[in-house]
Amino acid sequence: AQSVAQPEDQVNVAEGNPLTVKCTYSVSGNPYLFWYVQYPNRGLQFLLKYITGDNLVKGSYGFEAEFNKSQTSFHLKKPSALVSDSALYFCAVRDLGSSNTGKLIFGQGTTLQVKP
Amino acid sequence: DAGVTQSPTHLIKTRGQQVTLRCSPKSGHDTVSWYQQALGQGPQFIFQYYEEEERQRGNFPDRFSGHQFPNYSSELNVNALLLGDSALYLCASSAYRNQPQHFGDGTRLSIL
Repeated sequence: AQSVAQPEDQVNVAEGNPLTVKCTYSVSGNPYLFWYVQYPNRGLQFLLKYITGDNLVKGSYGFEAEFNKSQTSFHLKKPSALVSDSALYFCAVRDLGSSNTGKLIFGQGTTLQVKP
Repeated sequence: DAGVTQSPTHLIKTRGQQVTLRCSPKSGHDTVSWYQQALGQGPQFIFQYYEEEERQRGNFPDRFSGHQFPNYSSELNVNALLLGDSALYLCASSAYRNQPQHFGDGTRLSIL
């Protein structure tokens, strides 16, 4: 069965510093991976996806993610954090089961706190 | 171009009651998925509708049911509400089997 893990409940970083939010996955076959962000009292906003191709994926708001097949990881990164990046971040994998409907399986989420 | 819209925003019910949540997909999308997000958790897949049929179902009891209309909008119904049903219910739309899914802002359901 497909699954994702986000090993950190919270990540703290100073504004202007680089940030990394970690995600590891477990799938049978080639993974379809996603990052979403959730601000308080809002739904999930899509940031970026990896389907195939370059291991470094660029997304919205200056975020990027690095796909590493050997380490089964898909870490979210940003070179310079902003206070406005403070939010809850979810990694997700597409379920490639028999129904193949595009169902997403989410991690538990990581709270990113960017301090001024 | 309107995104995914959900109504109502908030809802308070008591145990044993029934509730209906509504979702209008993003323009051009024909597939609607519903997720339950309990406090402090990631969203959990409930089911997906395409062509007015349930295409896949997650690990939720039959108290959770849904419907999709010809205009692609969808409803989520929950019967015999339990305290544990308190959560944020998210609707996501997409073109069938395509990604990414686009999410609405959710309906916050509180059970007293």
